[in-house]
Amino acid sequence: DSGVTQTPKHLITATGQRVTLRCSPRSGDLSVYWYQQSLDQGLQFLIHYYNGEERAKGNILERFSAQQFPDLHSELNLSSLELGDSALYFCASSVALGRQGAFADTQYFGPGTRLTVL
Amino acid sequence: QQPVQSPQAVILREGEDAVINCSSSKALYSVHWYRQKHGEAPVFLMILLKGGEQKGHEKISASFNEKKQQSSLYLTASQLSYSGTYFCGTEMWDSNYQLIWGAGTKLIIKP
Repeated sequence: DSGVTQTPKHLITATGQRVTLRCSPRSGDLSVYWYQQSLDQGLQFLIHYYNGEERAKGNILERFSAQQFPDLHSELNLSSLELGDSALYFCASSVALGRQGAFADTQYFGPGTRLTVL
Repeated sequence: QQPVQSPQAVILREGEDAVINCSSSKALYSVHWYRQKHGEAPVFLMILLKGGEQKGHEKISASFNEKKQQSSLYLTASQLSYSGTYFCGTEMWDSNYQLIWGAGTKLIIKP
């Protein structure tokens, strides 16, 4: 158990819908990262937040957005869902901080949310 | 700018050694190694930072050649528990700092 929790574990929805994935980081970690893992695209970095601020952005679609709240939990919002958005979405947390240091420490991955878009 | 991992897959007998390579065409700030078992989340193995600093498990060793933008993960005296897919993540600047992951190397350890 990494100490990172993600809900829900599974999510099945239809095309065009909007969903919210939730992540609670390990106690004391201020950095949260979101990743998408699909069979054809592999593991893709989406976005990084540090203490409520966006610090790094990867290949995140405009239909996707995220935020980190004052209690440090984070949410990933996916809208106008398409079949191709079906994937495993991981959240990870770390003590890493700063822009260049955004990836300078161990990331602890949560168990993931499996999203299926029908 | 996805890094290239090699080999794509390897099958070993328990106790044998393996080397997994990760190569990038861009300058790297750090290289990360994670192992993922089927149906589970990736688990941290090692970080190699520009300048020589390393953070990782004692039983794992890796190298990072900053000039060649290459890293290698060394698995010695492999155990059954080493089975899984190994991913390298490369930190680079591409309009902002990003962590780009390789396609993975599948490792199967047989008794």
